[in-house]
Amino acid sequence: RKEVEQDPGPFNVPEGATVAFNCTYSNSASQSFFWYRQDCRKEPKLLMSVYSSGNEDGRFTAQLNRASQYISLLIRDSKLSDSATYLCLASGGSYIPTFGRGTSLIVHP
Amino acid sequence: SQTIHQWPATLVQPVGSPLSLECTVEGTSNPNLYWYRQAAGRGLQLLFYSVGIGQISSEVPQNLSASRPQDRQFILSSKKLLLSDSGFYLCAWFKTPTNYGYTFGSGTRLTVV
Repeated sequence: RKEVEQDPGPFNVPEGATVAFNCTYSNSASQSFFWYRQDCRKEPKLLMSVYSSGNEDGRFTAQLNRASQYISLLIRDSKLSDSATYLCLASGGSYIPTFGRGTSLIVHP
Repeated sequence: SQTIHQWPATLVQPVGSPLSLECTVEGTSNPNLYWYRQAAGRGLQLLFYSVGIGQISSEVPQNLSASRPQDRQFILSSKKLLLSDSGFYLCAWFKTPTNYGYTFGSGTRLTVV
């Protein structure tokens, strides 16, 4: 079983739609969680950290559910520019933070 | 501020040739450093990580090696490249405790021909 699992998608949504991704993690010692965005042929860039209380940054909301061991990312009012691959990261308990394989999002007109 | 530099950006090498990719970090000390590879359309595969000078841990058996000669320098090498070594190589640093996760270099796109 992979330590961090994501639905690879692609999620194909129209502009203005709301879309949500989940990411499950198996290591209960994980303490810090993050969402990254990766554009085609570019390095991943930090989108947002995920706090226990949940956090929001504009159209993006991240949630953590420790009991069920998953994190989520909600994107409201999707823009064409949101098209990318979204990777989750779980870290804690070792030197090896673990990435999911990523979820591909395609926002179309 | 902390920055990470990785070069070259693009590399085309023949099979059997050597490889050396360099990564340096500025603005921090004693970072944890990582090398990842990403094949086309695939996820990030951790190759090596280092928690200090001279300390290298390998995650997968392969044709590659890594070295950390200085605190903020991490080098990925190969004596003889294989076609399967083609991919997007990313260096990253991660400093704990932090809420900023990994910071990645801009990557090297390696094509072995």
